[in-house]
Amino acid sequence: NAGVTQTPKFQVLKTGQSMTLQCAQDMNHEYMSWYRQDPGMGLRLIHYSVGAGITDQGEVPNGYNVSRSTTEDFPLRLLSAAPSQTSVYFCASSYSKFNEQFFGPGTRLTVL
Amino acid sequence: AQSVSQHNHHVILSEAASLELGCNYSYGGTVNLFWYVQYPGQHLQLLLKYFSGDPLVKGIKGFEAEFIKSKFSFNLRKPSVQWSDTAEYFCAVNGRSGSARQLTFGSGTQLTVLP
Repeated sequence: NAGVTQTPKFQVLKTGQSMTLQCAQDMNHEYMSWYRQDPGMGLRLIHYSVGAGITDQGEVPNGYNVSRSTTEDFPLRLLSAAPSQTSVYFCASSYSKFNEQFFGPGTRLTVL
Repeated sequence: AQSVSQHNHHVILSEAASLELGCNYSYGGTVNLFWYVQYPGQHLQLLLKYFSGDPLVKGIKGFEAEFIKSKFSFNLRKPSVQWSDTAEYFCAVNGRSGSARQLTFGSGTQLTVLP
């Protein structure tokens, strides 16, 4: 049981480049979410999904896209990277939005 | 709208000192409450949670928290901290109605325990 996995662990991008952060879980959780963590701001929700085929925006969705084609996978796409997107990104999953969330190890992204 | 406030941004203690980290939330209905811990370089892990019942909840590693509904508070406590408790601690709240927003985190409290 691997829990929540994320790849890559580190990434450096140039402004304007695009990329996809991968997230997978093997706990059969319906609810998955993406957060960004910035110093002094805690975790802020980017996008979330309540099940395959269903996604919605969180608090800071601009510049990011998501899709959920399977229960296991929930990739986060940066469309055109900007320096303001330099952050640590965490994926999480849970049985529902009301339950405790299990977090992945994070991806540290730097946009130059 | 729900929100979480953690008043202490950085707490420095010596080993064996007692710890209390404040957490206040705003939400007009019933809530689920969580404390997560993030050790240096690691992902967030659940310390404890409150859904209902006894307002004094015990978590892992000797931590406990008390839900005081009248004060909208969910403070984290530990009677005697260790150097290994050095980490960042996050309080989080989730309203229980179907229309409630998703899990909302506080800004975090960095705890440094001096040996």
